[in-house]
Amino acid sequence: AQSVAQPEDQVNVAEGNPLTVKCTYSVSGNPYLFWYVQYPNRGLQFLLKYITGDNLVKGSYGFEAEFNKSQTSFHLKKPSALVSDSALYFCAVRHSGSARQLTFGSGTQLTVLP
Amino acid sequence: EPEVTQTPSHQVTQMGQEVILRCVPISNHLYFYWYRQILGQKVEFLVSFYNNEISEKSEIFDDQFSVERPDGSNFTLKIRSTKLEDSAMYFCASRGQEDTQYFGPGTRLTVL
Repeated sequence: AQSVAQPEDQVNVAEGNPLTVKCTYSVSGNPYLFWYVQYPNRGLQFLLKYITGDNLVKGSYGFEAEFNKSQTSFHLKKPSALVSDSALYFCAVRHSGSARQLTFGSGTQLTVLP
Repeated sequence: EPEVTQTPSHQVTQMGQEVILRCVPISNHLYFYWYRQILGQKVEFLVSFYNNEISEKSEIFDDQFSVERPDGSNFTLKIRSTKLEDSAMYFCASRGQEDTQYFGPGTRLTVL
C-alpha cells in the first residue's frame, strides 16, 4: 500500500531562515509524490510534484523539494522563509491504479516567526 | 486561471437529513474526486469518478454516499442520511491527463 509519513506535527522557523518540512514515503513501484499547502479555511493548493527526472523539484512560491530514493524521502524546502509561508503542509503519494487517488500525510503546521 | 469551485461553503444539517454538495471541476478535466478532512485530521480519499462511473472508492464511501455528474459541468456528492461523524470539510478535486489534482475550497458540513 502507498503511504507517506510526516514526522513533525509542527515546525517553527524564523523569517529569513531556511525551512525544511519532512516527508518519507512507502510505495510499491515508482513513487509519484506531491506537496500541497492549506491556508486557514482554504482548500489545498498544489505546490510541486515529483514524477521522474531531476531529484530537485522546483515549485510555486520559491519552494522546492528533494527526492531521495535511498532514504525514501521527499522533503520540502525553501531557502528563506516568509511569515506568509505559515500554513499547513501536506505531503501526498499517488496510487498506481487508474484512478490515481492521493494518500496524504498527517500534515505539518509551519509557523514562520517574524 | 481555471479553478475548481464548490458550493455551498458551509452546510448545516440535522442528523438523518440528505445533503448534496456541489462542485464545478476545471472545464477540460476528465477525472474527478471527493476527499474529506475531519477537523484536525488528515485528508482522506472518498471516491474517484471517470467516464460517468466510479473508478475507485474507499471504505468510507459506503451506501450512504453517492456521486453524480448530472450535466457537463457539475459533480455532486450526496449523503443520504447524515450522521454526526459525517461532519467534516469535503473537498472536490479534478485533474486532466497529467497527474496533478486541483482542489476546490471545500464545503464545511456540520451535522447536528
